[in-house]
Amino acid sequence: DGGITQSPKYLFRKEGQNVTLSCEQNLNHDAMYWYRQDPGQGLRLIYYSQIVNDFQKGDIAEGYSVSREKKESFPLTVTSAQKNPTAFYLCASSVDRGDYGYTFGSGTRLTVV
Amino acid sequence: EDKVVQSPLSLVVHEGDTVTLNCSYEVTNFRSLLWYKQEKKAPTFLFMLTSSGIEKKSGRLSSILDKKELFSILNITATQTGDSAIYLCAADFSGTYKYIFGTGTRLKVLA
Repeated sequence: DGGITQSPKYLFRKEGQNVTLSCEQNLNHDAMYWYRQDPGQGLRLIYYSQIVNDFQKGDIAEGYSVSREKKESFPLTVTSAQKNPTAFYLCASSVDRGDYGYTFGSGTRLTVV
Repeated sequence: EDKVVQSPLSLVVHEGDTVTLNCSYEVTNFRSLLWYKQEKKAPTFLFMLTSSGIEKKSGRLSSILDKKELFSILNITATQTGDSAIYLCAADFSGTYKYIFGTGTRLKVLA
């Protein structure tokens, strides 16, 4: 079955460490997105990518980095520069310009200890 | 500043009740509005609305968009405990390839 796979589901990080969250899709979708969800807040866009080898900053890109070397993969690195990284991270993909909405992964919950 | 506002933030009802969730938006070059249901992890797609006044229905759920007044509502009739979830509204902006989400409405349906 087609879908989006995020891994790991839970991740613990010590302060000062970089961590990478994985996002893989087999839907043949062109566009991929990373959102962050905090309690009481909506989803906020971190980065998005419309095509391979191209990506754009979202509203809260500081302290994060991404790559898009393959159509199927869009990993997110949370760097030590991100001051408050504890959150729920959702990856999504869509056909072309998102005209049919997003398909979301199951998310990764990152906790800084 | 573009924004999407949902109300109420939370709602507790009993099985069989009908609920109406609200979503208002202030955006430039509005193109479409989406509703999602988030139970535990991944939000699942409910509706996409692009035209004003045309109701979309799926079982007990229905939604409509008012582009003049800049809002949408999501109705759930004869609620069930399985409807308990966070309902997210998002607005898409032409040419930006991204959606702006509201804070969500947390619905709890009691047996």
